[in-house]
Amino acid sequence: NAGVTQTPKFQVLKTGQSMTLQCAQDMNHNSMYWYRQDPGMGLRLIYYSASEGTTDKGEVPNGYNVSRLNKREFSLRLESAAPSQTSVYFCASSEVGGGGTDTQYFGPGTRLTVL
Amino acid sequence: QKEVEQNSGPLSVPEGAIASLNCTYSDRVSQSFFWYRQYSGKSPELIMSIYSNGDKEDGRFTAQLNKASQYVSLLIRDSQPSDSATYLCALGSSNTGKLIFGQGTTLQVKP
Repeated sequence: NAGVTQTPKFQVLKTGQSMTLQCAQDMNHNSMYWYRQDPGMGLRLIYYSASEGTTDKGEVPNGYNVSRLNKREFSLRLESAAPSQTSVYFCASSEVGGGGTDTQYFGPGTRLTVL
Repeated sequence: QKEVEQNSGPLSVPEGAIASLNCTYSDRVSQSFFWYRQYSGKSPELIMSIYSNGDKEDGRFTAQLNKASQYVSLLIRDSQPSDSATYLCALGSSNTGKLIFGQGTTLQVKP
């Protein structure tokens, strides 16, 4: 049982390049989330998917797109990377969704640097 | 005003002491509250969740919730150097169904 996995672990991009961060969970969870974490800012929600086939914006969605490919996989795409998107990105999942009473389980993170 | 406020610290305590971490929030609708621990370079992991006013104990950890005063705290008894980490407070909003995190408090436990 791997829990939540993310690829890649590290990535360096040049401004304007695109990339997709991959996330998968094997816990049969309904909901999945993408966060970014910057020094002194805590975790900020980018997008989430309450269930397969649905996605919704979080606090900081600009410059990102997401795809809930199936129940297991939730990808985050940067179409044209900017230095302001240098951050650590975490994917998380929860059983029922909504964050109301559910525990969210986090992946190991992707450390992205945009030059 | 941020929705979830934490003192970023660092909070430094000697080994064996009680560490007290505090969090205030502005959303009166929130029904669920969580404390996550995050070691440097690692991902957050859940320590405690609390939904009702009062105290909830789990081993050396006690979460305290006061909805009237809009604060939640985490006490760590008999602090160990292995407790040195950043502690993130989060609340679940029944309105939006999402978790909102504070910026985290860094705890240093000195041997």
